[in-house]
Amino acid sequence: DGGITQSPKYLFRKEGQNVTLSCEQNLNHDAMYWYRQDPGQGLRLIYYSQIVNDFQKGDIAEGYSVSREKKESFPLTVTSAQKNPTAFYLCASRETGGNTGELFFGEGSRLTVL
Amino acid sequence: SQQGEEDPQALSIQEGENATMNCSYKTSINNLQWYRQNSGRGLVHLILIRSNEREKHSGRLRVTLDTSKKSSSLLITASRAADTASYFCATGEKPTNTDKLIFGTGTRLQVFP
Repeated sequence: DGGITQSPKYLFRKEGQNVTLSCEQNLNHDAMYWYRQDPGQGLRLIYYSQIVNDFQKGDIAEGYSVSREKKESFPLTVTSAQKNPTAFYLCASRETGGNTGELFFGEGSRLTVL
Repeated sequence: SQQGEEDPQALSIQEGENATMNCSYKTSINNLQWYRQNSGRGLVHLILIRSNEREKHSGRLRVTLDTSKKSSSLLITASRAADTASYFCATGEKPTNTDKLIFGTGTRLQVFP
């Protein structure tokens, strides 16, 4: 079945450590996105990529980094520069860029900083 | 930036009743989408309505859009316990190449059997 796979589902990190969240899709979608969700909040855009080897900052990119070396993969690294990284992270994809189509989401990764 | 604001923040109803959620936004949009999220899970797309449409149906879902009031509503008819989830509106601002959907804070719906 086609879809988006995020891993790990749960991740614990000590302060000062970088962690990388994986996002893989087999939908052959061009565009991929990372969102952050805090309790009782909506989603905020961290980074997005419309094509391979290209990506743009979203509204809250500070303390995060991404790469898009393959169409299927869009990993997110949460660096030690992110002051409050504990959150639920959601990866999504869309067939093409722009904002007129539906997003397909993974099941999320919950990061907790100890 | 948060554009969509859902109302109410939480809603509790009995099975069989209808549930209505509202979304207000601030800027000009080309489309508005509704998503559902079960607790601790990813979001699932429910329906998309374009700025030149006023009403759209999908199964038990009915969405309206009033661009003059910058608001939308989602109606779930004959609700079921399985409809228990959070519901989010998301707006696609003009121009369409901004590549961003701006999500609201959501309405938590609880449907009691």
